[in-house]
Amino acid sequence: EVQLVESGGGLVQPGGSLRLSCAASGFTVSSNYMSWVRQAPGKGLEWVSVIYSGGSTYYADSVKGRFTISRDNSKNTLYLQMNSLRAEDTAVYYCADGELFYWGQGTLVTVSS
Amino acid sequence: DVVMTQSPLSLPVTLGQPASISCRSSQSLVHSDGNTYLNWFQQRPGQSPRRLIYKVSNRDSGVPDRFSGSGSGTDFTLKISRVEAEDVGVYYCMQGTHWPSWTFGQGTKVEIK
Repeated sequence: EVQLVESGGGLVQPGGSLRLSCAASGFTVSSNYMSWVRQAPGKGLEWVSVIYSGGSTYYADSVKGRFTISRDNSKNTLYLQMNSLRAEDTAVYYCADGELFYWGQGTLVTVSS
Repeated sequence: DVVMTQSPLSLPVTLGQPASISCRSSQSLVHSDGNTYLNWFQQRPGQSPRRLIYKVSNRDSGVPDRFSGSGSGTDFTLKISRVEAEDVGVYYCMQGTHWPSWTFGQGTKVEIK
């Protein structure tokens, strides 16, 4: 059974940083392309970033230059490093496989002073 | 970026009756490889999104056959033949053709009258 478990969310001040993790089981992160998708409170879904099996990475314009997607193959874990956080980054962040078939339960990031 | 526009945004339905959601894209979703990467997702209250349909009309495993997808080019439809109580939630279309910037529709909230 495939499981994706996010962690690392929390309350952070504007301008601060946070690193989200997504631990996978029953599924090999390095062999698949993986995405982060977020959902602001009461709002719709927004694609954030993708990393391909070859290592190429892409970002939504709203986070480009501030967020970095990466993975640790030995830990079978996906990451999202978020810097220079803004109030508008407040959202539940989901990790998912590249096909958006498997999703985690999400982790809440709140950017507020 | 490709803009995905769903209608209606709210859809009250009587149990056992059909429901239909429209999704229009600002550009054709036909990929150079001949495929059309239009997906539909369901998000029940308090849950992570779940993919229902991929490439316009292909139902994912475990998805009831009362759900069907159709369309081409820029115009797509998700139909529920007979709405059940468990179908309550928000439905999103998403284009994966114009990668890597995937975009979602605003969401359509399905509720029981």
